[in-house]
Amino acid sequence: TQLLEQSPQFLSIQEGENLTVYCNSSSVFSSLQWYRQEPGEGPVLLVTVVTGGEVKKLKRLTFQFGDARKDSSLHITAAQPGDTGLYLCAGGGGTASKLTFGTGTRLQVTL
Amino acid sequence: GAGVSQSPRYKVAKRGQDVALRCDPISGHVSLFWYQQALGQGPEFLTYFQNEAQLDKSGLPSDRFFAERPEGSVSTLKIQRTQQEDSAVYLCASSSRYRYNEKLFFGSGTQLSVL
Repeated sequence: TQLLEQSPQFLSIQEGENLTVYCNSSSVFSSLQWYRQEPGEGPVLLVTVVTGGEVKKLKRLTFQFGDARKDSSLHITAAQPGDTGLYLCAGGGGTASKLTFGTGTRLQVTL
Repeated sequence: GAGVSQSPRYKVAKRGQDVALRCDPISGHVSLFWYQQALGQGPEFLTYFQNEAQLDKSGLPSDRFFAERPEGSVSTLKIQRTQQEDSAVYLCASSSRYRYNEKLFFGSGTQLSVL
């Protein structure tokens, strides 16, 4: 069974602070996706990374896929209240099938 | 439609009742997934359809869970003789292709509470 552990589990910070969320596994994934989920809604895809060592930026969000494709990180610069939500990483295998989701990181950004 | 639609939005069932949850994917999307999400946790895979074919049902927790997609569009997840441990949000997702890194579009989910 492939497991994705995220840390921290909860994070409460003030507007303007920086933060990093980690997603770790003992398994190799062909791709890694990051989602954000707001209460009462389904997850929304933020980014997909597929190459070991790949770095992608989405405005204030920076995503990195580990060289060995077993881990990933999400860094948010100058967090805003609109960044509040549940952040989920999800690993994909080599064939068309299910994603394995991480345990989730709940982020709260206050004024 | 504009997005993945799920109904009902909320369902309260007495233990032992049967329930049926509906998913209407984005028109033309080939792949359809069902996930179960416990409170504060990440979604867990239940089953996967490619058109009308159920290619993976390894995540269904017991034989009380059954899913179908008879015409390759709308899907129904049925839970028979519901138990309290079935209480969760059931998410449906669809994608236009069947590659492993294809973008998934999720519905808002059905929150099931079994009393």
